[in-house]
Amino acid sequence: DAGVIQSPRHEVTEMGQEVTLRCKPISGHNSLFWYRQTMMRGLELLIYFNNNVPIDDSGMPEDRFSAKMPNASFSTLKIQPSEPRDSAVYFCASTADRARQPQHFGDGTRLSIL
Amino acid sequence: GENVEQHPSTLSVQEGDSAVIKCTYSDSASNYFPWYKQELGKGPQLIIDIRSNVGEKKDQRIAVTLNKTAKHFSLHITETQPEDSAVYFCAASINYQLIWGAGTKLIIKP
Repeated sequence: DAGVIQSPRHEVTEMGQEVTLRCKPISGHNSLFWYRQTMMRGLELLIYFNNNVPIDDSGMPEDRFSAKMPNASFSTLKIQPSEPRDSAVYFCASTADRARQPQHFGDGTRLSIL
Repeated sequence: GENVEQHPSTLSVQEGDSAVIKCTYSDSASNYFPWYKQELGKGPQLIIDIRSNVGEKKDQRIAVTLNKTAKHFSLHITETQPEDSAVYFCAASINYQLIWGAGTKLIIKP
């Protein structure tokens, strides 16, 4: 079975540039989560979608961050403009049932903003 | 809101010995407790989970215990092997929101 697929695996860009991270959830899963992981703050939930609708975006740090889920098989997380403090590993996870089933994670995108 | 504390932050054990990682949570409404293993360069992978209506669950060398009264749960790994070296995270959940522990780096000494 294909797991959660994220791209790119690594991204290095200069501050001020737009960054787009992509995620393909597991087929049949109806909930999708974007997380950010840093040494200082650990795993932070950024946004949660259920049936392609954003349910909770309270973890999105600021207006420079936006996320979309145009269909059940694709989601993007965009940062515009990017800043060095956005450097982190960004994970996408999906689940078949938000309250009763475990979240399955992709291998992340390591983002470095110079 | 919910808060999850995880101890220890680093655990070093001899290969073949057992390892125990402990977590406490604050919200008695939490009803789902997964444990994840994260290897370098990978995403967290679920290794075992337990729900609030169960006190213990075992899967081969891995077991999790839950004490709802004391609001703590523990991960037990027996007969540790080199491939068990990783960072382990506990979490507590109400509905969709997972509240994460800070992680334990498990080192297996040969």
